[in-house]
Amino acid sequence: GQQVMQIPQYQHVQEGEDFTTYCNSSTTLSNIQWYKQRPGGHPVFLIQLVKSGEVKKQKRLTFQFGEAKKNSSLHITATQTTDVGTYFCAGGRAGGTSYGKLTFGQGTILTVHP
Amino acid sequence: NAGVTQTPKFRILKIGQSMTLQCTQDMNHNYMYWYRQDPGMGLKLIYYSVGAGITDKGEVPNGYNVSRSTTEDFPLRLELAAPSQTSVYFCASSLLQGTYEQYFGPGTRLTVT
Repeated sequence: GQQVMQIPQYQHVQEGEDFTTYCNSSTTLSNIQWYKQRPGGHPVFLIQLVKSGEVKKQKRLTFQFGEAKKNSSLHITATQTTDVGTYFCAGGRAGGTSYGKLTFGQGTILTVHP
Repeated sequence: NAGVTQTPKFRILKIGQSMTLQCTQDMNHNYMYWYRQDPGMGLKLIYYSVGAGITDKGEVPNGYNVSRSTTEDFPLRLELAAPSQTSVYFCASSLLQGTYEQYFGPGTRLTVT
């Protein structure tokens, strides 16, 4: 079945440093979504990418979807302590009963030292 | 709107006991999902539903059952609980249009001993 791998598993940064997490799928995706989960909380939707090569920005966060629609990345510029949490990518497949289903990566746990 | 609500928040079960995790959404979403989250393993899909009366298995359905008699409710049943079912369980819902983003409930932390 479809697999979505995410690296690194952990990332420790000093406040102000940049952070990047990478996501790779074993199959071509119809879309990719990113979620953030604060410690002790539940996943919260950040963004969805649909088009090949798409880049979207949300303030200090930059999301990219690869040309082949099999990989994606999330980059945070100048991290802040409020960025602490686990970041998940989740890949979607189009068509039939796969519609609406997501396969989640293992997540990257980000800690930010002030 | 309350969004997605789950009960209970915490539960300890003995091996072999059964229980039902409740999930309700008030956003009129047609899709609903059950995930389990184990440390360092991300979210694994247990079951999902595309509408009332329709359910299907996800990646890890063994040991679980679901039903969807209404749009709002999607309970998850654990029969004969085993230690391997110790996990955090999240219910989610989404609308079949737009971004299909999933809205998650607060989770149920289940321990089986």
